[in-house]
Amino acid sequence: GDSVTQMEGPVTLSEEAFLTINCTYTATGYPSLFWYVQYPGEGLQLLLKATKADDKGSNKGFEATYRKETTSFHLEKGSVQVSDSAVYFCALSVVGAGGTSYGKLTFGQGTILTVHP
Amino acid sequence: GAVVSQHPSWVICKSGTSVKIECRSLDFQATTMFWYRQFPKQSLMLMATSNEGSKATYEQGVEKDKFLINHASLTLSTLTVTSAHPEDSSFYICSAATEETQYFGPGTRLLVL
Repeated sequence: GDSVTQMEGPVTLSEEAFLTINCTYTATGYPSLFWYVQYPGEGLQLLLKATKADDKGSNKGFEATYRKETTSFHLEKGSVQVSDSAVYFCALSVVGAGGTSYGKLTFGQGTILTVHP
Repeated sequence: GAVVSQHPSWVICKSGTSVKIECRSLDFQATTMFWYRQFPKQSLMLMATSNEGSKATYEQGVEKDKFLINHASLTLSTLTVTSAHPEDSSFYICSAATEETQYFGPGTRLLVL
C-alpha cells in the first residue's frame, strides 16, 4: 500500500538556520506530493505541492522537489523564522480520474519544528 | 481562499452519550469530504470518505456503526460518535476536497469522561 516516511523529530533550530525535513514515499500509482503545516491550535494548511516528477513546489520560502528516482520530497528552507515553528506533514495522493488529485491523502507521521530566536 | 469550519471546536461528554461534529465548507461546494482522527504527537489517520448523497466509505478497522457519517449537502458533513467511551477521546479533523487539494477544518477535540 501507499506510505509516507518522514524524518524523526522534533527538530530544534536557531533563527536564520537552514532547514531540511526528509520525506520518502512508496506508492502503487503515480502520486501527487504535498507538504502541510499545522500551527499550534490550528488546522492543517497546504504549504506546497508537486504533481509530477522534477516539479518544485514553493511557498513562503519553503521548497520541495519531486524526485521520482529517489522517491523523495524533502522540504527545505534557507533561513527559518520563529514563526515557522509548527508541525510539518508530508503527504501523498494518488492521481484520480481525469488527472485530478483529490483522492484520499496518506500522511507521514509529522515533524515538530521549533525555532528559537 | 477556501475555508472549512468545524463545530464544536471542543466537547466534553459523559461515557455512553453521543456527540455530533459538523464540518462545513463555507465558500465552496465539496462533493467529497474526509474525516480524520489525530492522536497526540501522531499523524492523521483517515477514518472515512464522505460523499454527498451516498453512504460513506470507511477505512479498515473503523466501526461504521460507532462513527456515523452523513453528507446531507454539498457544504455539510457530520460525524456522530455514538455511545462514546474514553478511548474515543481524540482530535477529529475534517477536510473538503476540490479538484486540486483538500482544505482542512480546524479540528474538534473530544474528551469522553
